[in-house]
Amino acid sequence: AQSVTQLGSHVSVSEGALVLLRCNYSSSVPPYLFWYVQYPNQGLQLLLKYTTGATLVKGINGFEAEFKKSETSFHLTKPSAHMSDAAEYFCAVSDGSGNTGKLIFGQGTTLQVKP
Amino acid sequence: NAGVTQTPKFRVLKTGQSMTLLCAQDMNHEYMYWYRQDPGMGLRLIHYSVGEGTTAKGEVPDGYNVSRLKKQNFLLGLESAAPSQTSVYFCASRRHRNQPQHFGDGTRLSIL
Repeated sequence: AQSVTQLGSHVSVSEGALVLLRCNYSSSVPPYLFWYVQYPNQGLQLLLKYTTGATLVKGINGFEAEFKKSETSFHLTKPSAHMSDAAEYFCAVSDGSGNTGKLIFGQGTTLQVKP
Repeated sequence: NAGVTQTPKFRVLKTGQSMTLLCAQDMNHEYMYWYRQDPGMGLRLIHYSVGEGTTAKGEVPDGYNVSRLKKQNFLLGLESAAPSQTSVYFCASRRHRNQPQHFGDGTRLSIL
């Protein structure tokens, strides 16, 4: 069975500092991996995705993530945090070989950006 | 350019009442999903559909029913609401199984 673990339910950084949100997954088949962002009282918005090919994936708003199969990780980074990055972030894994397209989500990480 | 639209946005129910949440998408997507979001638990899949006329159970289906009579609509029903069903409900859709899911803005449901 697939699962996702996000390390740290709350992460606090200063504006301009590096953002690192950790995600580890478990999957018996090659995974498709996603990061979503949720702003208050809104739905989830896709930041980036990994399906196949290049393991370093660039997304919107300056975020990127690297798929490391040996570490079963898909950590999200941004070189310099902005106040507008404060939100909740979800990592998710999909069974790429199945027919359902179901996503399994991590429990989420709330990013706080301090001025 | 509506995307995924959820109706209603907010609702308060009494225990034992029934209601239906509507999800509509205008992107001609095959796959549709209903999730519930609870603090510290991420999103959990309730039911999903891989095409018009089909539905299947997800991770937490008990107490819910769904229907997909039209491709663009996916209805989530609560037959007899319970306080444990207080949550934020999200609908999502996707064109193909390996494409990202597109989410609605959620329905905030409180059951007293």
